[in-house]
Amino acid sequence: ETGVTQTPRHLVMGMTNKKSLKCEQHLGHNAMYWYKQSAKKPLELMFVYNFKEQTENNSVPSRFSPECPNSSHLFLHLHTLQPEDSALYLCASSQIQGLFRLAERDGELFFGEGSRLTVL
Amino acid sequence: SQQGEEDPQALSIQEGENATMNCSYKTSINNLQWYRQNSGRGLVHLILIRSNEREKHSGRLRVTLDTSKKSSSLLITASRAADTASYFCATERGSQGNLIFGKGTKLSVKP
Repeated sequence: ETGVTQTPRHLVMGMTNKKSLKCEQHLGHNAMYWYKQSAKKPLELMFVYNFKEQTENNSVPSRFSPECPNSSHLFLHLHTLQPEDSALYLCASSQIQGLFRLAERDGELFFGEGSRLTVL
Repeated sequence: SQQGEEDPQALSIQEGENATMNCSYKTSINNLQWYRQNSGRGLVHLILIRSNEREKHSGRLRVTLDTSKKSSSLLITASRAADTASYFCATERGSQGNLIFGKGTKLSVKP
């Protein structure tokens, strides 16, 4: 257990569906992240929230909509996705985001087990 | 864009042998981290090495860093079947210092 929980673990949706991925961390961290992992590609950073404020949107299409209601919860709302969006979506948290940290260890990421998304 | 790049892409060894994976990066760094991922699971942090450190140990793991060559290596000694996983290096990028990962090295340790 890493202290970061993602639900659902598996999701199959049609291109016209609307669904959401949920991430919850019990580590008292202040930064949360969404990464996308596709086959044979590096992990792609999608969004970053630091103290509930979005600090990074890595040119992600608008069909992905993040929400961070508090420092412990992060959502990824999905609508009108494409088959190429099928991937493992990983949520992570850290004490604080990158350059704001005071100690090196604060930049260590704790990952959830991921949500495997299949878009038909 | 990708910051770290691991080499080799895949490595297959016998149990008991040592496994060495390399990582090259492009820009200057504050630190470099190594992570492990079992198939279909999340990533787990293994070790962090600072830019002013040359070598670091943690159990059977040994990490080296050569900032002049912009490269790092991860050595797993006396490998076990349970070490079978993908291994990623990660460095910080941009003004926010977000972690960017390479494609990883897929290690297979045969019993």
